[in-house]
Amino acid sequence: KNEVEQSPQNLTAQEGEFITINCSYSVGISALHWLQQHPGGGIVSLFMLSSGKKKHGRLIATINIQEKHSSLHITASHPRDSAVYICAAKPAGGTSYGKLTFGQGTILTVHP
Amino acid sequence: GAGVSQSPRYKVAKRGQDVALRCDPISGHVSLFWYQQALGQGPEFLTYFQNEAQLDKSGLPSDRFFAERPEGSVSTLKIQRTQQEDSAVYLCASSLGWAGAYQETQYFGPGTRLLVL
Repeated sequence: KNEVEQSPQNLTAQEGEFITINCSYSVGISALHWLQQHPGGGIVSLFMLSSGKKKHGRLIATINIQEKHSSLHITASHPRDSAVYICAAKPAGGTSYGKLTFGQGTILTVHP
Repeated sequence: GAGVSQSPRYKVAKRGQDVALRCDPISGHVSLFWYQQALGQGPEFLTYFQNEAQLDKSGLPSDRFFAERPEGSVSTLKIQRTQQEDSAVYLCASSLGWAGAYQETQYFGPGTRLLVL
């Protein structure tokens, strides 16, 4: 079992739909990242959070530390949101160097 | 620079050839990571530098992989005698301070897509 698991692996939506991507982790963390990766492009950090909820535009990220679960929500989805979304756990502990453990990614396709 | 840059963006190598991948982190960033991303998978940790010191190389898959950051800025990942299983996207990330600190976020480069034929 991977330390960080995402669901679904693939997600197709119509423009305007509300989208949720889930991430579960089994390791102790100091923070959790949500990242966006476009085809042929690098990775952009969307959020880093260790508790509660963060919002940026149409993106909302939540985390439940007790349940070791985080979600990324996209409201009013748009075709330009089509990308791979990756959650990454930043482990707790002084010797971890902050190296991230990544989920396998969720491929999101939003149709017009 | 404005962000993390990597070169080349694409590299095709014949099996057995040596390759060198370059990462230019954001100026002044102390921490630098290399990650490997196989097709359809999430990235996986390769190695970590704090300034010029390579503090963790536990993710390097074999002794054919070697990374350096001699002056604490630019880093090079070298792969000797490339194999087909080395085909992947190699991502570099940097952060301003010690990457283990809570407030530190990693800034990723565009990656180098390596194809070994």
